[in-house]
Amino acid sequence: DTEVTQTPKHLVMGMTNKKSLKCEQHMGHRAMYWYKQKAKKPPELMFVYSYEKLSINESVPSRFSPECPNSSLLNLHLHALQPEDSALYLCASSQARTGSGANVLTFGAGSRLTVL
Amino acid sequence: AQKITQTQPGMFVQEKEAVTLDCTYDTSDPSYGLFWYKQPSSGEMIFLIYQGSYDQQNATEGRYSLNFQKARKSANLVISASQLGDSAMYFCAMREGGGGYQKVTFGTGTKLQVIP
Repeated sequence: DTEVTQTPKHLVMGMTNKKSLKCEQHMGHRAMYWYKQKAKKPPELMFVYSYEKLSINESVPSRFSPECPNSSLLNLHLHALQPEDSALYLCASSQARTGSGANVLTFGAGSRLTVL
Repeated sequence: AQKITQTQPGMFVQEKEAVTLDCTYDTSDPSYGLFWYKQPSSGEMIFLIYQGSYDQQNATEGRYSLNFQKARKSANLVISASQLGDSAMYFCAMREGGGGYQKVTFGTGTKLQVIP
């Protein structure tokens, strides 16, 4: 079983809907990430939270709104999405230690989003 | 500029044989880390192996080893004794900087198919 849990696994939404993707980890990691992956492409970084603060926003459109309510939870709120936003959304977490350590990203299984 | 290059879109290997997946990278940062991830058709990204830029020895994890040639900026993954379950997409990735939260960039991936 993966240690990063993402819900829902599949989501279909219309362009006027509001929905949320959820991610939870209990490994004590203090960095959490959202990646977007289109079919046959590598994952692309969207957001990074470090110690519950937004550290990186890779110029993501405002129709995607991240939230980190506590150190274990990460949400991605979706509103007024476009069909081209259909993709696999991957959540990951890692240690946030400074230095030259690995701080390996542990990924969830992803939420597959379809926008109609 | 492409920071991580994987030149093999697809590879075939006979079961029980070894296979090398190529990865070259580009960075001017002296502190960086290199990762390999496996992504089966289910979508989850599975961490395989890590090499830090200051590590003197090549990393090994079971059947996986990383052939790190710093001067050539290459970090090839070697899988020994291939198994049918190794069929998946393989991504090389790089983290620049000295740790903390990880800004990880992925290559375009290599699809490996293991033939019985």
